[in-house]
Amino acid sequence: SAVISQKPSRDICQRGTSLTIQCQVDSQVTMMFWYRQQPGQSLTLIATANQGSEATYESGFVIDKFPISRPNLTFSTLTVSNMSPEDSSIYLCSVWTSGGNEQFFGPGTRLTVL
Amino acid sequence: TQLLEQSPQFLSIQEGENLTVYCNSSSVFSSLQWYRQEPGEGPVLLVTVVTGGEVKKLKRLTFQFGDARKDSSLHITAAQPGDTGLYLCGSVHSNYQLIWGAGTKLIIKP
Repeated sequence: SAVISQKPSRDICQRGTSLTIQCQVDSQVTMMFWYRQQPGQSLTLIATANQGSEATYESGFVIDKFPISRPNLTFSTLTVSNMSPEDSSIYLCSVWTSGGNEQFFGPGTRLTVL
Repeated sequence: TQLLEQSPQFLSIQEGENLTVYCNSSSVFSSLQWYRQEPGEGPVLLVTVVTGGEVKKLKRLTFQFGDARKDSSLHITAAQPGDTGLYLCGSVHSNYQLIWGAGTKLIIKP
């Protein structure tokens, strides 16, 4: 299993600013994912962040808007850049553990952009 | 690209009633997972079904996998307010990515 923490848990930001979300895992994992979720709705994958390689972004998401760092096997950050109200959402990180068959999720970061 | 159709997207019922949530695809699933998410938390895995025709039970929750592995259902018997949450079905795709259904927001009224 894996225990994942995220910081901040929530934030209210002004339009045009940037926010960096941190994701910390209690064990070393290779595969880490960043998702976006509107409350009560399904998950949309933003990117896959594997240690040792550049993040792979899904259609509709670009590195300039959502830069990701993955400095080691237990930590990653997602930055939401030049924010607009449309970026208001819940952002979740998740991991697959080695030999496991399950994704573990962090508690999410609820972002509101004014 | 495999798509998951999940229904209903919203369900509000009284405590003690039964309900079923469906997850369907036009393609064959290699496996299918059901997750539950409560407000302020990330999704948590309930069950993984792999074999066609498989039935798994988790207390009052019964999960079925269709014989052709193209559909799955989650049945809750005698729903309790603690069952309230967002239920998501997901199928493992390449590179360990999950393809998700639209989600079912379930509210159980006391």
